[in-house]
Amino acid sequence: DIQMTQSPSSLSASVGDRVTITCRASQGIRIDLGWYQEKPGKAPKRLIYAASSLQSGVPSRFSGSGSGTEFTLTISSLQPEDFATYYCLQYTSHPYTFGQGTKLEIK
Amino acid sequence: EVQLVQSGAEVKRPGESLKISCQASGYVFTNYWIGWVRQMPGKGLEWMGIIYPDDSDTRYSPAFQGQVTISADKSISTAYLQWSSLKASDTAMYYCARHEGVATPHPDSWGQGTLVTVSS
Repeated sequence: DIQMTQSPSSLSASVGDRVTITCRASQGIRIDLGWYQEKPGKAPKRLIYAASSLQSGVPSRFSGSGSGTEFTLTISSLQPEDFATYYCLQYTSHPYTFGQGTKLEIK
Repeated sequence: EVQLVQSGAEVKRPGESLKISCQASGYVFTNYWIGWVRQMPGKGLEWMGIIYPDDSDTRYSPAFQGQVTISADKSISTAYLQWSSLKASDTAMYYCARHEGVATPHPDSWGQGTLVTVSS
């Protein structure tokens, strides 16, 4: 199985901050990576697919980059509604695997 | 608008069987893979497997192979996840998710989740 190592596992930040979350794959996954946001009591929501393509309706302050084994999700200016848990998912080969998650909290 | 509506919360005893459902609407059900993701209490997301409703081709994560059965009824645009003998460790939230893409289908739209509690 491909292992996805996501860091950090938690992050405290303030409204307006720029934050970056990283996922590293144990082997190359091309650009077969998505980023998902999960809020308490809600289903996950896709933010980014194919490493850098923004899901329709997702604010442009979210961006993704990377290919191969290293990927990043960047939020350019945190808004109150962005405090949530974020997961990466590799889908290049079965079984698909998620990162461990990054809980983004208000400082 | 794509909608995935899951069946309601379940409370079961160890050893009982269970089948939960995910009814899809707003798209052609047979044109997309649909799958299941587990979230145990306080833990992260785990991908369980997917099915292509048109021909019932099914792929499981090895962690879940033999533990659950994924099926679909294309006549009513509904996917299912079932257990023949539940364990306490099956207690979790289960999400269905449509998978978009041809070569590498991956989750785009998600159901609201079904909470399964297994306790004696």
